[in-house]
Amino acid sequence: DTGVSQDPRHKITKRGQNVTFRCDPISEHNRLYWYRQTLGQGPEFLTYFQNEAQLEKSRLLSDRFSAERPKGSFSTLEIQRTEQGDSAMYLCASSPYNYGYTFGSGTRLTVV
Amino acid sequence: DAKTTQPPSMDCAEGRAANLPCNHSTISGNEYVYWYRQIHSQGPQYIIHGLKNNETNEMASLIITEDRKSSTLILPHATLRDTAVYYCIVRLPTLNNAGNMLTFGGGTRLMVKP
Repeated sequence: DTGVSQDPRHKITKRGQNVTFRCDPISEHNRLYWYRQTLGQGPEFLTYFQNEAQLEKSRLLSDRFSAERPKGSFSTLEIQRTEQGDSAMYLCASSPYNYGYTFGSGTRLTVV
Repeated sequence: DAKTTQPPSMDCAEGRAANLPCNHSTISGNEYVYWYRQIHSQGPQYIIHGLKNNETNEMASLIITEDRKSSTLILPHATLRDTAVYYCIVRLPTLNNAGNMLTFGGGTRLMVKP
């Protein structure tokens, strides 16, 4: 296991389309996080799972955003009816504890 | 979580020590100081964290002032590969539903020059 894996690395989509991103955390990490990063800004927290339970989702940007982690392993982040403002880097991280997150390299979304 | 203030950018000569400051004057007694860095096109990378004692690991040293209102991350011999954005984050270590996030500010863009 070489770290947190995110797929795809890049995604270009037309406005109004749905997109789904996948994150595979480090296998022994039971905590998984999604962040969004726009150009020139630090990452912004979106949501958090402990095993399969989504313990914090109030920071999801709108009801067009949803995340799942059905078996407590990989996770998906879906954006419905994409808008140009959704263009950003979407980062996934995992951790076994409350510190020492390991981040993936992210999925860069471009909405045209 | 307490707010942090960092200079937006710094330069450092290759091979010299890079000292990155962070102010966190509203830090509470049980909040830790964490440092992450983000190299271009990669996700943030954990560097080090501490509560009140100075800490050192293979990547860096963390110096926290006695009143804990500021800290300095030290890269003892900066290389070109240390060019990155460095984020100072202050947060509680304990798990709670709303508080298990990292709150990133703008960070310091460190440019290591040959």
